[in-house]
Amino acid sequence: DTGVSQDPRHKITKRGQNVTFRCDPISEHNRLYWYRQTLGQGPEFLTYFQNEAQLEKSRLLSDRFSAERPKGSFSTLEIQRTEQGDSAMYLCASSLARQGEKLFFGSGTQLSVL
Amino acid sequence: QQQVKQSPQSLIVQKGGISIINCAYENTAFDYFPWYQQFPGKGPALLIAIRPDVSEKKEGRFTISFNKSAKQFSLHIMDSQPGDSATYFCAASGNTPLVFGKGTRLSVIA
Repeated sequence: DTGVSQDPRHKITKRGQNVTFRCDPISEHNRLYWYRQTLGQGPEFLTYFQNEAQLEKSRLLSDRFSAERPKGSFSTLEIQRTEQGDSAMYLCASSLARQGEKLFFGSGTQLSVL
Repeated sequence: QQQVKQSPQSLIVQKGGISIINCAYENTAFDYFPWYQQFPGKGPALLIAIRPDVSEKKEGRFTISFNKSAKQFSLHIMDSQPGDSATYFCAASGNTPLVFGKGTRLSVIA
């Protein structure tokens, strides 16, 4: 399977704990995006990378959120001091820079903060 | 502020019927308008997309109609099938990351 891969698929954590998610994009894709989706809503943009560079961050992304893509391949999204409002599906997508808008999504990581 | 407004929230269509979902946008800088399909437990998947230089694009049973002056676009699913039951999202971008509508939950009943 050469699609976008996300790990874990599900994460349950207690409020105040830190969590980290991983995304492996389609291998030849140089752009990688993080979106968040809550029940009954469309995906909301969080941040994106082109290669290693983080090019844009949404105002939705509080200081507790940090994303990295150290070698321009996989990416991690860390949430520190989780809050109940962080409960959501975290979606990763990738694309080719020359087809930037054509996003391929992974199946997401469902986060539940108790 | 919601940049892309989608309607209806939910839709029930008879098998073989036409499903129509509408979207409206405000930002005239948008120049790419895709529709995504999402099944439960899966990420959204690109279905069909259009740019504003054409008013209609058809791929199989799926058609996008685009009205630049009204800043509206719609998805038509012809001969709707139970397997089309899913949530559909319109989206838009203009050299910016995609912004999505809130989604339409489509149920196709036999």
